[in-house]
Amino acid sequence: KAGVTQTPRYLIKTRGQQVTLSCSPISGHRSVSWYQQTPGQGLQFLFEYFSETQRNKGNFPGRFSGRQFSNSRSEMNVSTLELGDSALYLCASRYDRGPPYEQYFGPGTRLTVT
Amino acid sequence: AQTVTQSQPEMSVQEAETVTLSCTYDTSESDYYLFWYKQPPSRQMILVIRQEAYKQQNATENRFSVNFQKAAKSFSLKISDSQLGDAAMYFCAYRSAFYGGSQGNLIFGKGTKLSVKP
Repeated sequence: KAGVTQTPRYLIKTRGQQVTLSCSPISGHRSVSWYQQTPGQGLQFLFEYFSETQRNKGNFPGRFSGRQFSNSRSEMNVSTLELGDSALYLCASRYDRGPPYEQYFGPGTRLTVT
Repeated sequence: AQTVTQSQPEMSVQEAETVTLSCTYDTSESDYYLFWYKQPPSRQMILVIRQEAYKQQNATENRFSVNFQKAAKSFSLKISDSQLGDAAMYFCAYRSAFYGGSQGNLIFGKGTKLSVKP
């Protein structure tokens, strides 16, 4: 099976702009989670989507949003970008119909805000 | 709230030797999952090993094994016969088994950077 894919891999944006990141899960996985990784804060959970519904949300401002499509592909959007949003954004998918429930990660999107 | 602590920011091991990475966690839950993930310079997060809290037997995957001490809330990773390709950041992670594990996010430690010397 193909792994989790994320596009684009690298992105440079200017403060105040908005950005959309895309994630395609492993075939058959219906759960998609997003994480932000920064040197200072480490890995932090953003949100989880399952069957097109947000099931879980981390402690991030409303500028961070996401959605999931019927084919389980997910997008996350960050509006009004701030310098502090520069990070590696990781997407992970999971088979949710039985154990072991571990998450498989994509290669990440490196976002740089200038 | 659950927390995960990795007290060793950096570790170093000689090729072919054994190294142990430490992880402690705090939770009031009785059922949960613990994971070790490896993140090489390519940034791809790779699952190394998984442990279910209800299982007393320590998980093993080839050269990787864990020492799971539930009462002490400790979950260390032992890498035997270290190889150059083991050099990476290693993250310990926790997930609640509430809803049987089908929901819930991962809570990560800060990571341990492992260097392998030839």
